[in-house]
Amino acid sequence: AQSVAQPEDQVNVAEGNPLTVKCTYSVSGNPYLFWYVQYPNRGLQFLLKYITGDNLVKGSYGFEAEFNKSQTSFHLKKPSALVSDSALYFCAVRAVSGTYKYIFGTGTRLKVLA
Amino acid sequence: AAGVIQSPRHLIKEKRETATLKCYPIPRHDTVYWYQQGPGQDPQFLISFYEKMQSDKGSIPDRFSAQQFSDYHSELNMSSLELGDSALYFCASISTSGGNEQFFGPGTRLTVL
Repeated sequence: AQSVAQPEDQVNVAEGNPLTVKCTYSVSGNPYLFWYVQYPNRGLQFLLKYITGDNLVKGSYGFEAEFNKSQTSFHLKKPSALVSDSALYFCAVRAVSGTYKYIFGTGTRLKVLA
Repeated sequence: AAGVIQSPRHLIKEKRETATLKCYPIPRHDTVYWYQQGPGQDPQFLISFYEKMQSDKGSIPDRFSAQQFSDYHSELNMSSLELGDSALYFCASISTSGGNEQFFGPGTRLTVL
């Protein structure tokens, strides 16, 4: 069965510091991996994805994520956090073959402090 | 660029009433998903449609039903509403021949009184 774990309910970071939001996954076969951001009372917005190729993927708003197959992780990173990055972040996974069902993690609230 | 459209954006119903939520996917997207998100929770997958046929089913109550129409829009029908049905309901669409990332609508906030 597919599953996604986001072990931190909340991450606090000072503005200008690097940030990491963690995600680990479990899926049969190769995964498609995604990060989404959600602002209050808004829909989820796509940030970046790993499908194949380079393990380091770059996305919107300066975010990047590194796919680590041996550790089954896909951590979201940004070199320098902005206050406006404060939001709810969701990791999602989909198996490459078979169903087109997406599984979301429980979300991590990122708070960037000025 | 066209986005996913959901209507209504807000809906208030009484217990035991019915509600219909509508979703208009991005043009040429062939798969539509419905999610329920309670306060402070992750989106819970309800149901999906590929080319107007149900493709996957998640934690959708028997009181709920959904369908996708010939113009690809989808409707989520909810009957015998309960207080616990109060949530944000999101629709998302993808093109299975495209990038695989889901595009989400703004959501419908359903409040059951």
